[in-house]
Amino acid sequence: DGGITQSPKYLFRKEGQNVTLSCEQNLNHDAMYWYRQDPGQGLRLIYYSQIVNDFQKGDIAEGYSVSREKKESFPLTVTSAQKNPTAFYLCASSIVPGGAETQYFGPGTRLLVL
Amino acid sequence: SQQGEEDPQALSIQEGENATMNCSYKTSINNLQWYRQNSGRGLVHLILIRSNEREKHSGRLRVTLDTSKKSSSLLITASRAADTASYFCATKAGKSTFGDGTTLTVKP
Repeated sequence: DGGITQSPKYLFRKEGQNVTLSCEQNLNHDAMYWYRQDPGQGLRLIYYSQIVNDFQKGDIAEGYSVSREKKESFPLTVTSAQKNPTAFYLCASSIVPGGAETQYFGPGTRLLVL
Repeated sequence: SQQGEEDPQALSIQEGENATMNCSYKTSINNLQWYRQNSGRGLVHLILIRSNEREKHSGRLRVTLDTSKKSSSLLITASRAADTASYFCATKAGKSTFGDGTTLTVKP
């Protein structure tokens, strides 16, 4: 089955800890994205990548880091510098980098702070 | 700033009624997309309408686009309880294009 997967479904972070959210796609898409969603709100773009070994900051990149070493993988690290990390994190991919085409979303990871 | 802004914020209707939600945007577009999000899930793509199209249908969904007014509407006909979800419009991948969405509640 083709698709985009995220793991884990729930993640707990302790104070001062870095945590990494996984995002994998087998759709052969060049572009991948990370969004943050707070309760009752829309999506805000954290980082996006249009091609392997390249990525750009979105609107709320502070306290987050990403890597794109493989086409199918785009992990997001929430660092200790992110003071309010509790949110729902969504990963997406699209065929056309930077274009206005359909995005395919994963099921999301909910991050909670202990 | 966000490109897509949905209106109304919340909509509650009875099963069988039609639901209409609107989207406004600020800059010129190549196309506009509508997505649905069930509670606690990822977004699912519903329909894409290109800038040279005025209306598009997909099952019980009807989307219109008015580029002169920079607005789009999504109509869901004969709504069902399963249509209960949040609906978002988007205009450009890779940028912050999603508004806060319209939360639709369909009562059985």
